[in-house]
Amino acid sequence: DQQVKQNSPSLSVQEGRISILNCDYTNSMFDYFLWYKKYPAEGPTFLISISSIKDKNEDGRFTVFLNKSAKHLSLHIVPSQPGDSAVYFCAASAFFQGAQKLVFGQGTRLTINP
Amino acid sequence: DAGVIQSPRHEVTEMGQEVTLRCKPISGHDYLFWYRQTMMRGLELLIYFNNNVPIDDSGMPEDRFSAKMPNASFSTLKIQPSEPRDSAVYFCASRVPLGEQYFGPGTRLTVT
Repeated sequence: DQQVKQNSPSLSVQEGRISILNCDYTNSMFDYFLWYKKYPAEGPTFLISISSIKDKNEDGRFTVFLNKSAKHLSLHIVPSQPGDSAVYFCAASAFFQGAQKLVFGQGTRLTINP
Repeated sequence: DAGVIQSPRHEVTEMGQEVTLRCKPISGHDYLFWYRQTMMRGLELLIYFNNNVPIDDSGMPEDRFSAKMPNASFSTLKIQPSEPRDSAVYFCASRVPLGEQYFGPGTRLTVT
């Protein structure tokens, strides 16, 4: 039972254009959402997050949008750069047994073409 | 700080052998997590510790998997006996309460 889903295994975008990565979740108890970026042979690194009380959070070229009614979030990268080529994981968080627990999606491989 | 340290980075073993993966969390982080990454399921949480105590091991696939945290600076994930379907990248992560998780570089396990 995949509570967090990234339905696009891969995405290819031209340099300078907007990259949009999507994520859906099923559990309404999730109250915090994060995006992680992963380069080959490295561990995932935190990129940006959003609380469930907000619908948008922006950090430089990266913006995360949250649509709670649709249980959907997206990550926008604009303009896209070659260094953005990586696997992006969406994660959702809730408190279980008194501690924050993250549930990750399957990941989307983003390729930025020059 | 050196970040989360994992060893070995790569492990190739034969089916039936015991495998031990090691993790050193970031100093001062009192939460430690073990994840497994596969193509089909992405990053799955296997188990996590708080102050060296296992809190939730519901993600551990079966009894062949075990994890320990004997002290605040060291944890192991053991698979005995290993099977080809255990082949994956295993990540360790740590954090402070309400903080972001920091991941290690992972151990790529191949069981032949």
